[in-house]
Amino acid sequence: GDSVTQMEGPVTLSEEAFLTINCTYTATGYPSLFWYVQYPGEGLQLLLKATKADDKGSNKGFEATYRKETTSFHLEKGSVQVSDSAVYFCALSATQAGTALIFGKGTTLSVSS
Amino acid sequence: DTAVSQTPKYLVTQMGNDKSIKCEQNLGHDTMYWYKQDSKKFLKIMFSYNNKELIINETVPNRFSPKSPDKAHLNLHINSLELGDSAVYFCASSQVIGPREKLFFGSGTQLSVL
Repeated sequence: GDSVTQMEGPVTLSEEAFLTINCTYTATGYPSLFWYVQYPGEGLQLLLKATKADDKGSNKGFEATYRKETTSFHLEKGSVQVSDSAVYFCALSATQAGTALIFGKGTTLSVSS
Repeated sequence: DTAVSQTPKYLVTQMGNDKSIKCEQNLGHDTMYWYKQDSKKFLKIMFSYNNKELIINETVPNRFSPKSPDKAHLNLHINSLELGDSAVYFCASSQVIGPREKLFFGSGTQLSVL
């Protein structure tokens, strides 16, 4: 079945460091891909998405490019801030009607000043 | 106004009890979901309703019963609670169910079964 694999955390960085969180997927057809973020004590929020190959999603300085050839959707940010500390989830949505989002296991990011 | 609100935020109870978690969305969405997040932060879909009709029912013990009185509400009732039910339960909604739809999540209900 469809699945998402994310790099294990936690990821610990200093402020202004470069961030990469790897995400690869397995799916039939052409799924849509998402990054969600969960701040402490809150529900998940959509960070960015891409719906077809070579699309780049971006928001709040974060970017991810839908790479069909490598089945990847890695999250990047050039300069992280303390306020980016959160859990990041990669997710895919299959093309079949009536299916829900499938999430990766989440990667905890901790940024220190 | 909170878009997706769920109550209670915390629920501590004894094994064997029956409890309910309520969820309401004021976004006018057609589709609502329950997700379970375990202690390792792994999120798994439990149920989804579209316009009060059950459309996704993953492999969940039948002690869990969702109920949707109208499309703005999706409640989760759990019978005979077990230790393994301890988790954070998230309600979510989307305009419709589809591959490009953005989900809006509630802030979660942390259930602790003692």
